[in-house]
Amino acid sequence: GENVGLHLPTLSVQEGDNSIINCAYSNSASDYFIWYKQESGKGPQFIIDIRSNMDKRQGQRVTVLLNKTVKHLSLQIAATQPGDSAVYFCAENTGTASKLTFGTGTRLQVTL
Amino acid sequence: DADVTQTPRNRITKTGKRIMLECSQTKGHDRMYWYRQDPGLGLRLIYYSFDVKDINKGEISDGYSVSRQAQAKFSLSLESAIPNQTALYFCATSEAGGYNEQFFGPGTRLTVL
Repeated sequence: GENVGLHLPTLSVQEGDNSIINCAYSNSASDYFIWYKQESGKGPQFIIDIRSNMDKRQGQRVTVLLNKTVKHLSLQIAATQPGDSAVYFCAENTGTASKLTFGTGTRLQVTL
Repeated sequence: DADVTQTPRNRITKTGKRIMLECSQTKGHDRMYWYRQDPGLGLRLIYYSFDVKDINKGEISDGYSVSRQAQAKFSLSLESAIPNQTALYFCATSEAGGYNEQFFGPGTRLTVL
């Protein structure tokens, strides 16, 4: 199986609960942020994005919050399901268009 | 039906061998990227190409080279593989412009013995 995420921080949540995954980004000049989900054996999959002129954006069951003052990004997943179990990465655009810098990731484990 | 495909999916090779990883896309995107993923380090950019005539080094280009054969094809080469290049390699594509998500392929697991 995959060895991705061998040393990742892990968040365990019970099915049906809400999950909050946090990310501290590095560059105050970053103006675009993306959350990706990576399941075992697959490439990262886009979840939601946000531009720096916003502080909140909602999708289906997911919300991204951006706090530029403290350079913090969070992903909230409502009513977490077993299919949400994966590694989640935040990524920031550090100025050069489309050139993303990725965080190290958080593993989400959903317990029944 | 995958929009971004990578070949091979798994490869085991020996130190000193030349290896080529290939990426093809049917999304019609101009921009293509190669990343490397190691445990605990996230994804790191190796090379990127904004169009067929544009190739740029990323964060960790040493020991790698790329070729953009066509809009749809972007290959990554390891001229002389070494064990610390053992990793997962991902290709990605995006539309032109600064606020576009990147679409990833399924990855290639490379092991260098």
